[in-house]
Amino acid sequence: DQQVKQNSPSLSVQEGRISILNCDYTNSMFDYFLWYKKYPAEGPTFLISISSIKDKNEDGRFTVFLNKSAKHLSLHIVPSQPGDSAVYFCAALPSGSARQLTFGSGTQLTVLP
Amino acid sequence: NAGVTQTPKFQVLKTGQSMTLQCAQDMNHEYMSWYRQDPGMGLRLIHYSVGAGITDQGEVPNGYNVSRSTTEDFPLRLLSAAPSQTSVYFCASSSTGVRGYTFGSGTRLTVV
Repeated sequence: DQQVKQNSPSLSVQEGRISILNCDYTNSMFDYFLWYKKYPAEGPTFLISISSIKDKNEDGRFTVFLNKSAKHLSLHIVPSQPGDSAVYFCAALPSGSARQLTFGSGTQLTVLP
Repeated sequence: NAGVTQTPKFQVLKTGQSMTLQCAQDMNHEYMSWYRQDPGMGLRLIHYSVGAGITDQGEVPNGYNVSRSTTEDFPLRLLSAAPSQTSVYFCASSSTGVRGYTFGSGTRLTVV
């Protein structure tokens, strides 16, 4: 049973518009959430994170929103650029000492010029 | 400024062969992990370590062994390779287990 779900395998957006990537989770023990970006033939790179005590975190063009009651988070990219085209993984960390990432299946974002 | 280094980048094994995937980090990170990435399944945790001498199993540990004799190195051993172990393997490290992990560039393994 997947504890972190990304239900959209792919998303296409026009350059300059907003990209919204969604993620749902089921485990109430998760208290920290992260987004990773991955280009082909490279390892994932950390993008942005949010603690469960917050509902929004912003870093430049990237904003992550957390809705704890719905167990839902989203990543907004504004404005989208062609270089943003990559696979985006949502990940979660549980509270406690063995803090290991649980990943979603990823969303392929394509930003069209 | 190496970060997390994985070797080899590519490997082809025959069923039943054994091999070790190497992972080294130069950031003095306590937390290290191995993941495998398969199409449509994201990254799944194989084994992890919270410090030298301490390892534990992740979600998909069967067929793999790890050890952590130093802070820097965290090798992953395939005992008897099977076609189901064809995947891309990523090693990652973190200083706190909270902030973003740093990933290596991956090892693409094919078992025939």
